[in-house]
Amino acid sequence: KAGVTQTPRYLIKTRGQQVTLSCSPISGHRSVSWYQQTPGQGLQFLFEYFSETQRNKGNFPGRFSGRQFSNSRSEMNVSTLELGDSALYLCASSSGTGGYGYTFGSGTRLTVV
Amino acid sequence: AQSVTQPDIHITVSEGASLELRCNYSYGATPYLFWYVQSPGQGLQLLLKYFSGDTLVQGIKGFEAEFKRSQSSFNLRKPSVHWSDAAEYFCAVAPAGNQGGKLIFGQGTELSVKP
Repeated sequence: KAGVTQTPRYLIKTRGQQVTLSCSPISGHRSVSWYQQTPGQGLQFLFEYFSETQRNKGNFPGRFSGRQFSNSRSEMNVSTLELGDSALYLCASSSGTGGYGYTFGSGTRLTVV
Repeated sequence: AQSVTQPDIHITVSEGASLELRCNYSYGATPYLFWYVQSPGQGLQLLLKYFSGDTLVQGIKGFEAEFKRSQSSFNLRKPSVHWSDAAEYFCAVAPAGNQGGKLIFGQGTELSVKP
C-alpha cells in the first residue's frame, strides 16, 4: 500500500511570506502528526490531527497552524516566515487509536531566505 | 518533564562489528518506545517498537532492542553492522495508549561504518 506522501519535497520562500505544506497519510489512517526537524533543536512535535480535529499541540507560535480534511489529508501552514523556520518538516500517519507505530513521509525541506 | 536521552552523538564502528546504541527516557509510567532510522535528506523509518510483553524486541534489518524498566532504557543492538547501516538513529517515546500522536525524540546518534 502507498506510504505517506508529502508535497512539495523542496521549497524556498522569502522571509515574511507564508507557506502551505501537504501530507497524505496511508489509506485508512485517520491521524496525522507534524514535526519540525532542525540541526539545533532536533525533532519537535508541532500538532496532531485525528478525524479533522486537532487533538494535541506542541509549543510553537500561532504562526504555525494546520488542518485536516475529511479524506484525512492534512495541510500545515506557516505565516510570516522567519529565517529560523528553515527546517525539514515531517508528517507521520497512524491509525490514531493506539500506539501502533507511526509511519513518516520523506518530508518537505523548507528554506527561508 | 518527559525526555529522551541518547548519550552518544556520534559512533563509529567497523563493518562486521557489533553495535549498541543507548537510549534512556524519563517518563511517569512505562511509555511506548520506538527506534527510527533516518538516511540523509529522508524521512524516518521505523526499526522496531515496544508496547508491552517480551522485553526483547526484534525489528527490521537485523536490529533488536531490549527494554529495561529498572534502568529506564531501551538500547538498540545489532550483532554485525553493514556499511548500509550508516545513518542517524532516533529513540522516541509516546505515552502508553497514546491518543495524541505525540512522539518525544532523543537528539539522535549518528552512526558511521568503517570498511
